[in-house]
Amino acid sequence: DTEVTQTPKHLVMGMTNKKSLKCEQHMGHRAMYWYKQKAKKPPELMFVYSYEKLSINESVPSRFSPECPNSSLLNLHLHALQPEDSALYLCASSQERVQAGYTFGSGTRLTVV
Amino acid sequence: AQSVTQPDIHITVSEGASLELRCNYSYGATPYLFWYVQSPGQGLQLLLKYFSGDTLVQGIKGFEAEFKRSQSSFNLRKPSVHWSDAAEYFCAVAPYSSASKIIFGSGTRLSIRP
Repeated sequence: DTEVTQTPKHLVMGMTNKKSLKCEQHMGHRAMYWYKQKAKKPPELMFVYSYEKLSINESVPSRFSPECPNSSLLNLHLHALQPEDSALYLCASSQERVQAGYTFGSGTRLTVV
Repeated sequence: AQSVTQPDIHITVSEGASLELRCNYSYGATPYLFWYVQSPGQGLQLLLKYFSGDTLVQGIKGFEAEFKRSQSSFNLRKPSVHWSDAAEYFCAVAPYSSASKIIFGSGTRLSIRP
């Protein structure tokens, strides 16, 4: 299995809702990432997990809450989002160091209404 | 300041023509270098990578890139483009100082003229 699987592919949520994005990989990668990508912009790093521990938080607002239950799973819990949080959310995984590059999922297209 | 720059926002080439996409980086030491491609609404796919050795690297889909230390560049090339190559291309770097973090350039959108 050489894929990163993200669910759901599309999500529409209200500003008072709580929802979660899910990411799964079975490549034995020990680092996992959340990126946010606005239209016509490059991906921006949000969080890095290394060996199931949060190692980088790029000053992301607390309405985004990451969770890594095990080495294969990465969740992003969403609460009280704003319309400007609408974006493509990408999950990626890699070996402990990134010399081999990331493997990306196809993303979750999030719309906040 | 550390940065990665893609000077061309949008490039249009004719099908069958050659392609070169530019990428320049500014780091204290040679970082890990990557090129990714993204089709609309999709995730990113790794085309090729460089971190040492031969400065001309081969990737998937017929792409290659050349690392030039003197110019701090890592340009992507393809001898003959196909309509299916139309996409967004991102150059990316992972600094040695933060080996678990990849930073992306602003991207170059490639259009193919029939």
